[in-house]
Amino acid sequence: KAGVTQTPRYLIKTRGQQVTLSCSPISGHRSVSWYQQTPGQGLQFLFEYFSETQRNKGNFPGRFSGRQFSNSRSEMNVSTLELGDSALYLCASSLEGVNTEAFFGQGTRLTVV
Amino acid sequence: GESVGLHLPTLSVQEGDNSIINCAYSNSASDYFIWYKQESGKGPQFIIDIRSNMDKRQGQRVTVLLNKTVKHLSLQIAATQPGDSAVYFCAVLYSTLTFGKGTMLLVSP
Repeated sequence: KAGVTQTPRYLIKTRGQQVTLSCSPISGHRSVSWYQQTPGQGLQFLFEYFSETQRNKGNFPGRFSGRQFSNSRSEMNVSTLELGDSALYLCASSLEGVNTEAFFGQGTRLTVV
Repeated sequence: GESVGLHLPTLSVQEGDNSIINCAYSNSASDYFIWYKQESGKGPQFIIDIRSNMDKRQGQRVTVLLNKTVKHLSLQIAATQPGDSAVYFCAVLYSTLTFGKGTMLLVSP
């Protein structure tokens, strides 16, 4: 079966712009979680969506938001980009949530200049 | 909340050796623990998990040990192979998933 697909793979944006990243989970998975990965902070949890509802949120500013559609596909949006938002953004899908086996996509590499 | 500590940023072993990678966590109420492997340019890949009602779980060439008394988690890889070279993360669930910073495993032929 197809894995988790994230688009785009690479993105370059300017400070102050906004960006939308997309994640298509494995078919049948209802939970999608988003993570930010940087060399300094490692992997940090952003939020989790389950059946179109945000179920959990990490400690990130309100500029980071997301949503999930009825087909379980998810998007995350970052507004008013800052240089420090440069990172690899990963999404993971699972059947029931973060307490079950999760499968990660390859990530979107965002560079803010 | 939860914090996850790393014992060793890099571990170098010879092919065929057994590898042990460790994590320490802070919250005794954490109840789900996972090990991931991440190769360069790829997303993390699930290796094995364990719940707090268990002390040990085995997979193919991998074993996870959970010591709740000292809040310590380890991943053992038997007969390490060059293909095992990657960064290994532990993740601990308490409300949300908290990841360790990762140990880079380097396997020499």
